Amino acid sequence: TQLLEQSPQFLSIQEGENLTVYCNSSSVFSSLQWYRQEPGEGPVLLVTVVTGGEVKKLKRLTFQFGDARKDSSLHITAAQTGDTGLYLCAGLRVGGSEKLVFGKGTKLTVNP
Amino acid sequence: GAGVSQSPSNKVTEKGKDVELRCDPISGHTALYWYRQSLGQGLEFLIYFQGNSAPDKSGLPSDRFSAERTGGSVSTLTIQRTQQEDSAVYLCASSYPRPGTGNTEAFFGQGTRLTVV
Repeated sequence: TQLLEQSPQFLSIQEGENLTVYCNSSSVFSSLQWYRQEPGEGPVLLVTVVTGGEVKKLKRLTFQFGDARKDSSLHITAAQTGDTGLYLCAGLRVGGSEKLVFGKGTKLTVNP
Repeated sequence: GAGVSQSPSNKVTEKGKDVELRCDPISGHTALYWYRQSLGQGLEFLIYFQGNSAPDKSGLPSDRFSAERTGGSVSTLTIQRTQQEDSAVYLCASSYPRPGTGNTEAFFGQGTRLTVV
């Protein structure tokens, strides 16, 4: 059983379109992170959200942490080809160890 | 170095041989993770080290896989009697957990691409 479920698993869109990817769990997390991995590289942290209901913006990317701290979403406005990559969510489960738990990721392809 | 370093970057081995993959974490980072990533897929957790605690080996796929972390720093992932299905990118990450802050950023190496022929 996957602790963090990400959807969709694959997403292919045209440049300029908007998209949202989701990260869901039945467990409560003290914090959730989003990473992006480009081909041939390791994942790199984009953002950390720690408060239920928190919204953070990073240029065209908007991250939201659910009120109950069980889910998160990443919305990209006017996608660009440079947004192509694997988006991973990761979190620290309340009552769990200090081990980060990763979702399987959403592979995004933005076509020109 | 400033980041997580993995070696070798590429490894081609014959089926049945043993391989060792090395990870040098960021200095001072107490947590170290190993993940496996097949082509175009997400991360598969293998093992987690945190300080002097017993490692979490719950992700190791078989007893052919083992890992150790010497002196709380460098880690080696060993795969014995390699099989073709072991072919993947093996990623290492390290972090410095700060309890209560929610800040546990994981820093990844660039991975070792293992090909078993």
